Amino acid sequence: AQSVTQLGSHVSVSEGALVLLRCNYSSSVPPYLFWYVQYPNQGLQLLLKYTSAATLVKGINGFEAEFKKSETSFHLTKPSAHMSDAAEYFCAVSEGYQKVTFGIGTKLQVIP
Amino acid sequence: DAGVIQSPRHEVTEMGQEVTLRCKPISGHDYLFWYRQTMMRGLELLIYFNNNVPIDDSGMPEDRFSAKMPNASFSTLKIQPSEPRDSAVYFCASSIATGGWTEAFFGQGTRLTVV
Repeated sequence: AQSVTQLGSHVSVSEGALVLLRCNYSSSVPPYLFWYVQYPNQGLQLLLKYTSAATLVKGINGFEAEFKKSETSFHLTKPSAHMSDAAEYFCAVSEGYQKVTFGIGTKLQVIP
Repeated sequence: DAGVIQSPRHEVTEMGQEVTLRCKPISGHDYLFWYRQTMMRGLELLIYFNNNVPIDDSGMPEDRFSAKMPNASFSTLKIQPSEPRDSAVYFCASSIATGGWTEAFFGQGTRLTVV
């Protein structure tokens, strides 16, 4: 069965510092992997997705993620955090079908 | 398009009452998903439909929960009778399959409180 594990339910970074949100996946077949962002009182919005093309994926708002098969990881990074990046981030996996399984989420706090 | 529309945005009900949540997917989308979000369990997939047909309802927690999609533009999630532990934010999402995976678009959610 497909699953994802997000390491750290809360992450705090200073404004301008590197953002690193960790995600490890489990899948019986080559997976599709995603990062979604949720702002307060909003639905989820797709940040980026990996669908077996380039292993380094660039998304919106300066975020990117690297697919590492050997580590079964898909960590999300951004070189410099902005205050507007404060939100909850979800890693998700799909085994090629429309059914997507989400991680528990990581709340990102950006400290001025 | 206005996106995925859910109603109501907030619902407060007493334990034992029936609750109906509604969703209008994006026009032309052929997949519809119902998710539940709680602090303890995160985002859980309850059920999803393809072309109005339920494909996987393994995430529906109990028989008290039921979902229908009578046509391509409307779906309901019903809880009868409701219990305090059903309090959560319920999201509807829709997508269109074009030979591969495509993005699921989420509604703003319905915050359900059962007292």
